Formats: sequence, C-alpha cells, structure tokens
Amino acid sequence: EAEVAQSPRYKITEKSQAVAFWCDPISGHATLYWYRQILGQGPELLVQFQDESVVDDSQLPKDRFSAERLKGVDSTLKIQPAELGDSAMYLCASSLALGGTYEQYFGPGTRLTVT
Amino acid sequence: RKEVEQDPGPFNVPEGATVAFNCTYSNSASQSFFWYRQDCRKEPKLLMSVYSSGNEDGRFTAQLNRASQYISLLIRDSKLSDSATYLCVVNRGGFKTIFGAGTRLFVKA
Repeated sequence: EAEVAQSPRYKITEKSQAVAFWCDPISGHATLYWYRQILGQGPELLVQFQDESVVDDSQLPKDRFSAERLKGVDSTLKIQPAELGDSAMYLCASSLALGGTYEQYFGPGTRLTVT
Repeated sequence: RKEVEQDPGPFNVPEGATVAFNCTYSNSASQSFFWYRQDCRKEPKLLMSVYSSGNEDGRFTAQLNRASQYISLLIRDSKLSDSATYLCVVNRGGFKTIFGAGTRLFVKA
C-alpha cells in the first residue's frame, strides 16, 4: 500500500536554530498539505500545494516558516529560527487532487522538540 | 469561537456500548465533511465521509444536519480497538480544511 513518507521522525533542536522537514507524498497525488498538531488539539493547516503552486498559506508564520514543492512532488518545510512554541507534531498529507471530497492520506509525522 | 467544535470528552464506555459524538461548524459555506480517527501518537486516518443522506459503515453511522450545522458519529457495539481520538473535519470547498480538536474515546473491558 502506498504511503506518505516523512523524515526525520523525531527532531530535537535548540531555539534560534534552523530545522527542516521532508515529505514525499503518494505517487500521483497532486495536492500536498503541511499541518502542525499541538498535543491535545487537532491538526492545523499551515500550507497547501497544488502541484508546485501554493494555494493556501494563510496560517503559515511567514516570518520564520517557509515551504516549497519545487518539482511538484516532494516538499520541504523549514523553520528558521525555531522558537520554543514550535514544539509540535508536523504532519504531511497528500490527496489525489484539489477538492474537498478527496481523502487525505497522512504521513507518520515529525515530532519536533525545541529546547 | 472555533469554526469546528467537538465534544471535548473523554468518553469512557464499556465494551458493547453505543456512543455518539457531535461536531458543530460555524461556516454555512462548508461543503464536505469527514470523520478521521487518530490513535495515540499516530497519524490521522479517514474513518468515513459524511453524506447529506447519512451513511453507515458496519458499526459506524454518520449523519449531517445542514440546517443546524452539525455532524454526528454513532458507534454501536463498541470494541476495545475503537479507543482513539475522533476528529471532525470540515472542508470549505477545496482550499480550506479545518479539523476539530478531537474527542477521545476509551472503551473498557
């Protein structure tokens, strides 16, 4: 069964350092999402791509976060500089196409701890 | 007020019980609705989509009430393996997916 791959699975970093997460969606999935999930809360959408284009990044803290999906396949989410409040699970998901009716498939996530 | 709100839980029920969760949404433009399940420290996985006419999948039944802007999930004959967090998901037409905070369910033997 095809899966969404994410790496690393765990990351510990000191505040003010840079950190990057990688996601490889299911092959053929045009839409890719990055979410942040704080313990006890639901996932919060940070950025959404359709192929290589950003279609929604309204909740992305653009002063420190950036995301790219250069060839419309895999994607990188970067935080620079990291802050203590960034400690969370970062989830990547993909779906076949844009449109609210398509199921989103999630990767295992990257658990970030900022010290 | 959050755009998608769920019963906070936790719900503690014995095996075999029937349990229901509700979720309300505030944006009347919402078009698609889902229930996802998330096990502890795992990623969310789709449980079922919610259709206007209501839909059933085995022991699980989902209902949508557009007039009152809520969706529900009913689990019959609860199993230990149903213990998880259930996330209500609302989509405003392609670009905006919003997750509720989730309702935790514990099924006890």
